[in-house]
Amino acid sequence: EIVLTQSPATLSLSPGERATLSCRASQNIYSSLAWYQQRRGQAPRLLIYDASHTATGIPARFSGSGSGTDFTLTISSLEPEDFAVYYCQHRSSWPPTWTFGQGTKVEV
Amino acid sequence: EVQLLESGGGLVQPGGSLRLSCTASGFTFSSYAMTWVRQAPGQGLEWVSGITGSGGNTYYPDSMRGRFVISRDNSKNTLYLELNSLRVDDTAMYYCAKGDSGIATSATHWGHGTLVTVSS
Repeated sequence: EIVLTQSPATLSLSPGERATLSCRASQNIYSSLAWYQQRRGQAPRLLIYDASHTATGIPARFSGSGSGTDFTLTISSLEPEDFAVYYCQHRSSWPPTWTFGQGTKVEV
Repeated sequence: EVQLLESGGGLVQPGGSLRLSCTASGFTFSSYAMTWVRQAPGQGLEWVSGITGSGGNTYYPDSMRGRFVISRDNSKNTLYLELNSLRVDDTAMYYCAKGDSGIATSATHWGHGTLVTVSS
């Protein structure tokens, strides 16, 4: 079973700063990784799929990179609405089960 | 516009059952896998189950296989989750989500969730 470990658990930054979030897989998952944002009291929202592809409607300040076991979500310049919790997620090839990381909270 | 609307949550006693529904619109429902994800209060996201577009294949984590049953009615654009033998630690917000393909690798759209509370 693949385990996703996100770091740090909490990231304290100010608006305008750059945020770098990490997700590490317990084994090689190639580029099969997605990132979600969850604002307080809201449902998650897909940001990035296949490690580096930005989902429809997502601002250009969000970008994803990495492959294999190490992945990064970067927010180039934090806007007030970006302070939220971010999760990475992987779907295994077979059986097609899903795994989420434990989340990184980006706070002011 | 893709819309997903969950219903069926509520308060249930330990050992009880519930059936959640998710009504979809804005896309060709039968062409996409669907999934359920839950979130306990103050906790992270946990995958509950997935189903292919045709409904012919279903998937669960080992911890939920046998108690939860996912199904869909493509004629009604509706996804279901039957929760049985409920436990206190099943208390959570349950989200339905649309997959990115026939066998989803990510969830492109999410509903607002329906809250299940298991308590005596």
